[in-house]
Amino acid sequence: AQTVTQSQPEMSVQEAETVTLSCTYDTSESDYYLFWYKQPPSRQMILVIRQEAYKQQNATENRFSVNFQKAAKSFSLKISDSQLGDAAMYFCAYRSALNSGYSTLTFGKGTMLLVSP
Amino acid sequence: KAGVTQTPRYLIKTRGQQVTLSCSPISGHRSVSWYQQTPGQGLQFLFEYFSETQRNKGNFPGRFSGRQFSNSRSEMNVSTLELGDSALYLCASSFGQGVHEQYFGPGTRLTVT
Repeated sequence: AQTVTQSQPEMSVQEAETVTLSCTYDTSESDYYLFWYKQPPSRQMILVIRQEAYKQQNATENRFSVNFQKAAKSFSLKISDSQLGDAAMYFCAYRSALNSGYSTLTFGKGTMLLVSP
Repeated sequence: KAGVTQTPRYLIKTRGQQVTLSCSPISGHRSVSWYQQTPGQGLQFLFEYFSETQRNKGNFPGRFSGRQFSNSRSEMNVSTLELGDSALYLCASSFGQGVHEQYFGPGTRLTVT
């Protein structure tokens, strides 16, 4: 079974600065997908970014980018130019590609990101 | 395009009762997954439905069940509620074939007293 570990229960950053959230995972599979989801106080889960394991290039979405290290099984999220609206719980999630029809996600415990003015 | 909707948003039940939660996926999405979120256990996968068939199930007791209708709407049922069933229940939809992201609904907050 796959596991996802987020070792930082809480992180703090000031507006306009950069912060990196860590995620490691354990799997014996070679093909899979990784995601970062954001859950603000409203509790609505929002997809931030996704990465396919077969792609060497790190995914980027505006101020959000990832550092995907397949050999190290590491998948960190970098938020540049942090904004107050970035404050939320961030979840790292894994999805197997073995059964491409399955959508099941395995989540980490989450990292609470606090943003101060 | 409308997002995933879940009803009701909040629910208070008594131990021993049963409850039914509803989820309407994004139009065109055929896969619906359910997750339970608690402070202690985090986000845990309950089950996934695709074209009215359950195709994956998490490690939950048989008191948790679900179904999907021909219009892709899904319901989950919890019978004989226990205090530990208090949680945020999240529904997510996707196209269901290939690699497609899951889009989550706002959740149903269930409190068991």
